[in-house]
Amino acid sequence: AQSVSQHNHHVILSEAASLELGCNYSYGGTVNLFWYVQYPGQHLQLLLKYFSGDPLVKGIKGFEAEFIKSKFSFNLRKPSVQWSDTAEYFCAVNAMQAGTALIFGKGTTLSVSS
Amino acid sequence: GAVVSQHPSWVICKSGTSVKIECRSLDFQATTMFWYRQFPKQSLMLMATSNEGSKATYEQGVEKDKFLINHASLTLSTLTVTSAHPEDSSFYICSARDLQGDQETQYFGPGTRLLVL
Repeated sequence: AQSVSQHNHHVILSEAASLELGCNYSYGGTVNLFWYVQYPGQHLQLLLKYFSGDPLVKGIKGFEAEFIKSKFSFNLRKPSVQWSDTAEYFCAVNAMQAGTALIFGKGTTLSVSS
Repeated sequence: GAVVSQHPSWVICKSGTSVKIECRSLDFQATTMFWYRQFPKQSLMLMATSNEGSKATYEQGVEKDKFLINHASLTLSTLTVTSAHPEDSSFYICSARDLQGDQETQYFGPGTRLLVL
């Protein structure tokens, strides 16, 4: 069965610090990978996604993620965080078959202090 | 990105009543929609997969007679919580699958907060 693990439950950073959130998945086949963000009181929004091609994916708001197939990882990065990045971040995976559900990690809470 | 709406955003009801939640894809057609439940400070738990024109597929442990799903059109799926009880109080979120070629992305609705008294 597929599973997704996010290593950091709660990350606390100061503004301008660099961010890296870990995400590992377990699935033997080809996968699609996603990062979603949930700002306080808001719904889930897609940050970025990887289907194929360049393993370094750039998303909105300066975020990027790198797919390392050999490590089954899809870590999220941002060089310099802002206070407005305070949110819950979810990594998600689905198998490359039509109609399969997303499997979510447990989420990482990011708190950025100004 | 694609937009998914949910209605209502908030429901407070008495125990024993039924509550219907609508999920609509506003600018794309979705043959598949998903219903999730999110507990405070936790991740999303998939409840069921809703397929247009056919029966929903429920995850293990989810009562299909309790959580009725209807996906009558390519832009609308409904979740009805029948005979709701306080333990059904939760945040219910739907997503709609947008298929572009062989690439599929799920877009999420804003969620419906249900409080059963």
